[in-house]
Amino acid sequence: DIRMTQSPSTLSASVGDRVTITCRASQSINSWLAWYQQKPGKAPKLLIHRASTLKSGVSSRFSGSGSGTEFTLTISSLQPDDFATFYCQQYYSYSSTFGQGTKLEI
Amino acid sequence: EVQLVESGGGLVQPGRSLRLSCAASGFTFDDYAMHWVRQVPGKGLEWVSGIRGNSAAIGYADSVKGRFTISRDNAENSLYLQMNSLRAEDTAFYYCVKSDCGGDCYLLDYWGQGTLVTVSS
Repeated sequence: DIRMTQSPSTLSASVGDRVTITCRASQSINSWLAWYQQKPGKAPKLLIHRASTLKSGVSSRFSGSGSGTEFTLTISSLQPDDFATFYCQQYYSYSSTFGQGTKLEI
Repeated sequence: EVQLVESGGGLVQPGRSLRLSCAASGFTFDDYAMHWVRQVPGKGLEWVSGIRGNSAAIGYADSVKGRFTISRDNAENSLYLQMNSLRAEDTAFYYCVKSDCGGDCYLLDYWGQGTLVTVSS
């Protein structure tokens, strides 16, 4: 299985900050990477797919980049509603795998 | 509006069985692959199983292979997960998830609210 590693595991930030989360794959996954946001007690929601394509309706403050094995999720000008846990997911190979998550806290 | 509503979770003893259901609406169900993803409370996400729109299984995680069976009823817009020989480590929230295409695709674009399965004596 392809292993996905996110960093950092926890990120402390303030409203208005710009933050970046990194996701690394154990082998090349081209651009078959998605980012999800999960708030406490809720199901994950898709934010970005194909590494950099924003899902319709998602704020443009979210952006993704990367290809191959290294990817980033950037949130510009953090808003109170953005604080949550973020997961990357590779959907390149059979048996899709997720990163361990990055908790973004105030 | 896409809606996915899971049911069937609960407390079950180790070694017993449980069947999860997911009622789907708001999209043409048989056009899309569907998946089950689980999450141990407070932990990360684990893909469990997927099934194509034509009802052919995509596959299973190694952790559940041989014990879980995924199926769907396109006439009823429903997805199922039959879980046998349950273990304590199967305790988790189970999410019903819609994919973005009908074949072997794992992009998960809509999620249900989840149903909790607790395996304990």
